[in-house]
Parts: sequence; C-alpha cells; structure tokens
Amino acid sequence: DIQLTQSPSFLSASVGDRVTITCRASQDITTSLAWYQQKPGIAPKLLIYAASTLQSGVPLRFSGSGSGTEFTLTINSLQTEDFATYYCQQLKSYPPYTFGQGTKVEIE
Amino acid sequence: EVQLVESGGGLVQPGGSLRLSCAASGFTFSNYDMHWVRQATGKGLEWVSAINTAYDTYYEGSVKGRFTISRESAKNSLYLQMSGLRVEDTAVYYCAALRAYSYGRNGFDLWGQGTMVTVSS
Repeated sequence: DIQLTQSPSFLSASVGDRVTITCRASQDITTSLAWYQQKPGIAPKLLIYAASTLQSGVPLRFSGSGSGTEFTLTINSLQTEDFATYYCQQLKSYPPYTFGQGTKVEIE
Repeated sequence: EVQLVESGGGLVQPGGSLRLSCAASGFTFSNYDMHWVRQATGKGLEWVSAINTAYDTYYEGSVKGRFTISRESAKNSLYLQMSGLRVEDTAVYYCAALRAYSYGRNGFDLWGQGTMVTVSS
C-alpha cells in the first residue's frame, strides 16, 4: 500500500499568514494527488486534484504543487474560513486510495 | 441539485449487520465510480471500499470478507452491506463519487453528509 505522511500535524497561524502543508508519499505517485478541506461535522471538500489543479469554485489563494513523492498545499493570506483540517489523498493506485493523517490549521 | 444522501446508520451490537445506502441525484450516476470513506470520531479519513462503473469491487484490508459494496443504476443508489461488525468499525460513513476513468487526474468531488454507525454492546 502507498503511505502518505503529512506535516505538520497541527499548525497555528494568523489571518493573513501564508501557510504550507507537505504531503510525502512512500512511492512515486506522479501527480495523482488530491487535497481536501474538512470542517467539524461536515464532509470533506475537494480543493485541488492532479496535484495542482484548483477545483471549480475554490479561492485562488489555495494552490498545490509537487510530483513524484513530495507535494505541498499553500494557502496565501489565510482567511477566517480557512481554519480547518486538510487531508491529502493519493489516487495513483488502489486499493486503498490512501489519505494522509491530516493537518489541523488553528487560529494563533 | 447535485447531491449524495446516505442513510441506514445506527447502533448495532458487535457481530451484527447493517446496510448503508447512498442515493445520488443531479448527475449521471453511471459515469462515476463510487466509494465509501469512514471517519472515527476525532480521527482522520479512511478509505473503505469502491465499486467502479464496470461493477468491479475493492475493499480495505480490515473490511474484506465482512463488507460488500454494490450499486443499482436503476435507482441511482450505492450500498454497503456490513456484517461481522466490530467496535473499531464505529465511524461516520461517507459515500463519495469519482469520475470514471480518472486515472488519478481527479479527486472525490462529490460527498454525502455522512451517516453514523456505532458498534457497541
């Protein structure tokens, strides 16, 4: 199985900050990676797919990059509504379509 | 309106069975591979099972042999038959849709609201 490791697991930031979350895969997954945002009690929301393609309707302050085994999600100018937990997911091969363990972004 | 709506969750004793349903509307169900993802309280997302448009099925290791995924195109519905339930199966279960033949170029762009399954004596 392909393992995904996100870092950090938790980060504290302020409105207006630039935030970067890293996702590392245990083997080459080319660009078959998606990022999701989840708020408490609500289903995850797709932000980015194919490592760097922004899902329709997602604000431009979100961006993704990377290929192979290392990927990043960047949020430029963090907004109040961005405080949430973020997950990466590999879609290179399944089963399983592995998720990372999550990164919780909280207000500093 | 494009939506997925899960139902069928509840409280069940260890060793018991439960059938989850997911009703799809507002999109062409037959063009999507369908997945179940679960999340234990306070924990991360865990992929559980999938069925593609060719009706091929896939399972996460711990549920293989206990859970059965199926879909019914005439009713635009997805199902998860769960048997031999364990305490560690307790979670919110989400259905999610992935465009068929994505080959890694898409993500799960449609999610249901989730249904809670509690396995306890």
